[in-house]
Amino acid sequence: DIQMTQSPSSLSASVGDRVTITCRASQSITTYLNWYQHKPGTAPKLLIYSASSLHSGVPSKFSGRGSGTDFTLTISGLQPEDFATYYCQQSYVTPFTFGQGTKLEIK
Amino acid sequence: QGQLMQSATEVKKPGASVKISCKASGYNFTIFGITWVRQAPGQGLEWMGWMSVYSGNTKYPKKLQDRITMTRDKSTTTAYMELRSLRSDDTAVYYCARDVSVGSEWYFDIWGRGTLVTVSS
Repeated sequence: DIQMTQSPSSLSASVGDRVTITCRASQSITTYLNWYQHKPGTAPKLLIYSASSLHSGVPSKFSGRGSGTDFTLTISGLQPEDFATYYCQQSYVTPFTFGQGTKLEIK
Repeated sequence: QGQLMQSATEVKKPGASVKISCKASGYNFTIFGITWVRQAPGQGLEWMGWMSVYSGNTKYPKKLQDRITMTRDKSTTTAYMELRSLRSDDTAVYYCARDVSVGSEWYFDIWGRGTLVTVSS
């Protein structure tokens, strides 16, 4: 199975900050990499698919980059509603696997 | 647009089975797949498997393949996930999601709100 490793596991930031979350795959997944936002008690939301494509309705403050094994999610101009847990997920081969999550908290 | 509505909370005893439903609306049910994902308390997201709504073909991870079955009823646009021989570590929130696979893109774009399954004696 492909292992997905996110860093950091948790991150404290202030409103208005720009943050970057990293995701590394244990083998090349080309650009089969998606990012989701998850808040407690709600359904996960797709933010970015295919490493860098912004999902419909997602604000452009979210951006994704990378290919092969190394990927990043950057969030600009943090707002209170952005504080959540973020997961990367590979869809290159089954079993699909998620990173362990990065919890973004307000400083 | 589209929406996925999941069935209500379940409480089961160890060894029992659970069958969760996921009713789709607002889109053509048969041209997308359905994926199931779960989240145990304090844990991350775990992919449980995929089903082609069109053909009924499925893919499951090895760790679940002996205990899980995904099915669908195209007439009611409802997908189902059955998990058997429940254990305490199956306690989790279970999500269904619309599975989009187009060319080199494969992602889950619409999610249900989740069904809590508690396994306890």
